[in-house]
Amino acid sequence: AQSVTQPDIHITVSEGASLELRCNYSYGATPYLFWYVQSPGQGLQLLLKYFSGDTLVQGIKGFEAEFKRSQSSFNLRKPSVHWSDAAEYFCAVGADNTDKLIFGTGTRLQVFP
Amino acid sequence: GAVVSQHPSRVICKSGTSVKIECRSLDFQATTMFWYRQFPKKSLMLMATSNEGSKATYEQGVEKDKFLINHASLTLSTLTVTSAHPEDSSFYICSARDLKGYNEQFFGPGTRLTVL
Repeated sequence: AQSVTQPDIHITVSEGASLELRCNYSYGATPYLFWYVQSPGQGLQLLLKYFSGDTLVQGIKGFEAEFKRSQSSFNLRKPSVHWSDAAEYFCAVGADNTDKLIFGTGTRLQVFP
Repeated sequence: GAVVSQHPSRVICKSGTSVKIECRSLDFQATTMFWYRQFPKKSLMLMATSNEGSKATYEQGVEKDKFLINHASLTLSTLTVTSAHPEDSSFYICSARDLKGYNEQFFGPGTRLTVL
C-alpha cells in the first residue's frame, strides 16, 4: 500500500537559513509526488509536483524538491527561508491508477527572526 | 486559474442539525471532487471521492448516511453533515481535479465546522 512519511513533526529555523523538509514514500511504481503548504486555517496550496523527467523540480516561492528513487525520497528545500514561510507543509503521493492522494502527517515550520 | 471555493468558511450549529458545505470550481470543470477531513495538528483524511452525475465513493470507515455528498454539476459538489454531533466538529476541505489535468488537485480554503 502507498504511504508517505514525514519524519519531522516540527522544525524551527532562523530567517535567512536554509531549509530541508524530509519526505519518504512507499509505492511500487513511479509515484506522482507533491508538496503542499497550508497556512493556519487555510486550504492547501501546491508548491511543486513531480510526475516524470528531471528529478530536480522547481516550485513557487523559491522552493525546490529532488526525487531520489534509490532513497524513496522527495525532500523539499529552500536556500533562504523568509518569515512568511512559517506554515504546515504536506508531502503527498498519488498513484497512476487512481485519483487519490495520500498525505503525510505534515511538518510544521516555525521561523525565528 | 484553477480556483476552488468553499462556502461557508465557518459554521456553528447545534447538535442534531444538518449542515451543508458547498465546493465550487470557479474557472474550470471538475468531473471529480474530493472531500477531506482534517483534525487539529493532523493530516488530511480522504473521506470520499465525488464524481459528477454518479454516487460518491466513500473511504472505509466513513459513514455515507452521515456525510451525504452530491455532485450535481461539473462545478459544484456539496457535503451535508446530517444530524451533526460534537465529534463531527472539524475542518473540512474539498479539492477538485481539472477535467484536463492529470492527478493534480486544487484545494478549497476549507470550512470550519463547530457543533455545539
